[in-house]
Amino acid sequence: GESVGLHLPTLSVQEGDNSIINCAYSNSASDYFIWYKQESGKGPQFIIDIRSNMDKRQGQRVTVLLNKTVKHLSLQIAATQPGDSAVYFCAEIVDGGATNKLIFGTGTLLAVQP
Amino acid sequence: DAGVTQSPTHLIKTRGQQVTLRCSPKSGHDTVSWYQQALGQGPQFIFQYYEEEERQRGNFPDRFSGHQFPNYSSELNVNALLLGDSALYLCASSWDRDTIYFGEGSWLTVV
Repeated sequence: GESVGLHLPTLSVQEGDNSIINCAYSNSASDYFIWYKQESGKGPQFIIDIRSNMDKRQGQRVTVLLNKTVKHLSLQIAATQPGDSAVYFCAEIVDGGATNKLIFGTGTLLAVQP
Repeated sequence: DAGVTQSPTHLIKTRGQQVTLRCSPKSGHDTVSWYQQALGQGPQFIFQYYEEEERQRGNFPDRFSGHQFPNYSSELNVNALLLGDSALYLCASSWDRDTIYFGEGSWLTVV
């Protein structure tokens, strides 16, 4: 069935280091991908998105890379800060539908050590 | 500009009861989706409303129903609550297939 999975359930990094969170998706028809950050007790917060006609997109301190050949997505966070500690989800939307239903993975916990 | 707002933030219900959760979408957004997030898991799509109609539904029983009003706000109703319905219920809004924003959620505990 459809799934979006993450390679690493927990990632621990030192403050100031760069973080890379990976995600594999299984549906080759997916055409839109979003990364969300979810802090404890809060709703998912939009970080960055990318469409399937792109392979890289940059935001403030974050970069998303998309490799459609191997169906892989990654989120890079530069100069990781303690405030970046949260669970990160990748989500995909499958093209062809009339809706923008998101399919989420199980999430990766990013722990930033001071 | 207010984002997606949900109410109530927390509630406790008894097994067998019914619950109604409410959502106001971000200004300018006409599409509302509901998700259920169990502890330690990613959100699961329940259904989506557009132009006051259910446009798509996930794998949830008929006990889960919803409504969208002319001002685009929405309600999620769950009947005959089960212990397994305890979760964070998230509302997401969007316009067309633009960026999808989530509210802070409603924490439902069924005892």
